[in-house]
Amino acid sequence: GAVVSQHPSWVICKSGTSVKIECRSLDFQATTMFWYRQFPKQSLMLMATSNEGSKATYEQGVEKDKFLINHASLTLSTLTVTSAHPEDSSFYICSARRQGPYGYTFGSGTRLTVV
Amino acid sequence: DAKTTQPPSMDCAEGRAANLPCNHSTISGNEYVYWYRQIHSQGPQYIIHGLKNNETNEMASLIITEDRKSSTLILPHATLRDTAVYYCIVINTGTSYGKLTFGQGTILTVHP
Repeated sequence: GAVVSQHPSWVICKSGTSVKIECRSLDFQATTMFWYRQFPKQSLMLMATSNEGSKATYEQGVEKDKFLINHASLTLSTLTVTSAHPEDSSFYICSARRQGPYGYTFGSGTRLTVV
Repeated sequence: DAKTTQPPSMDCAEGRAANLPCNHSTISGNEYVYWYRQIHSQGPQYIIHGLKNNETNEMASLIITEDRKSSTLILPHATLRDTAVYYCIVINTGTSYGKLTFGQGTILTVHP
């Protein structure tokens, strides 16, 4: 089955530093990947859609200069949280879409804590 | 994409069938119904999807009404490990992005 690997699973960083989260599709090529953020006891909120070889499309209210997304290959997308602050602490989840009505596969998520 | 409505929470006894309803009255002809679940602090897990016919796999069954305005996810023999948030999502996989937008889902609690 389709597998998406997300790394790291958790990270603690200091305020002002940047953190990179990787999302890899292990056994299929993902032309489109999605990044979500989830706060405690809330649903997943879509942050942005990334397409291989082109700029990401950000949802309204998401700062593109703060959440840098790179989708340089068909198997890898990265989300970089720049100049992280405590309010950026959240659960970040990536998802990859296969061509056709095969559904979407999600990574296991990254718990980011900014101190 | 069509909006969905789900009850916020449901309970089920272990070993019994769990029937989770979803309303998607504005669904259009080329939109699929997808079900995912999220166990605490994990990424969502795909369960099943369908267009208009009922579907069954090793995890669950999906019953879609004839008018496609609602569906029911059935877990035939719920276990404690099925306790999770279940999301019903309607999506047009034919669009260039086909992004998944999550509602609040149904918190299913399976008790002994």
